[in-house]
Amino acid sequence: DTGVSQDPRHKITKRGQNVTFRCDPISEHNRLYWYRQTLGQGPEFLTYFQNEAQLEKSRLLSDRFSAERPKGSFSTLEIQRTEQGDSAMYLCASSLEAAGTEAFFGQGTRLTVV
Amino acid sequence: AQKVTQAQTEISVVEKEDVTLDCVYETRDTTYYLFWYKQPPSGELVFLIRRNSFDEQNEISGRYSWNFQKSTSSFNFTITASQVVDSAVYFCALSDLYNTDKLIFGTGTRLQVFP
Repeated sequence: DTGVSQDPRHKITKRGQNVTFRCDPISEHNRLYWYRQTLGQGPEFLTYFQNEAQLEKSRLLSDRFSAERPKGSFSTLEIQRTEQGDSAMYLCASSLEAAGTEAFFGQGTRLTVV
Repeated sequence: AQKVTQAQTEISVVEKEDVTLDCVYETRDTTYYLFWYKQPPSGELVFLIRRNSFDEQNEISGRYSWNFQKSTSSFNFTITASQVVDSAVYFCALSDLYNTDKLIFGTGTRLQVFP
């Protein structure tokens, strides 16, 4: 297993465009998380999937954001009508379903909205 | 509310010096997990250690050691004989155990080790 992979690694988009990111978790992990990290800050939780069910969404996740995890495998995070404030690193993590288990992170997708 | 505070924004040391990164946490939960992650320039967060609230034994792994003290709500990380490859941003995190196990991160400490 190659770990958590994210695609693309970098994305530059014009304000108002839609963007979609993909995350492939470690295959046996049924938990999947999306986080956002801005410069000089720690990652902040966005949303959580257990298998295909999206069980929690942060207040940070405005109506322009949507995430899916069809069939409990890979996940996508879409941002509609991007704004400059959306510029950040978007990190995906996966873990086994066990209390307090460590999460494994991908290398992230760095989004720049110009 | 749960919170993690890393008061040191940036630390610079010379190779072979020892360095301690501080982490203070707040939680009302009696059971919780604490973590340290390393973020090198490549961006990927690398898991270093997990500690649960019932285990206050200090842990040593090579040049790394961790000191967990519930009395002061601290989970500090020491690197002995630092090396240039230790240069990275280090994050302390608290697991929201009763709510999806999502991680609550501190703001990180950037460690620069100079040769």
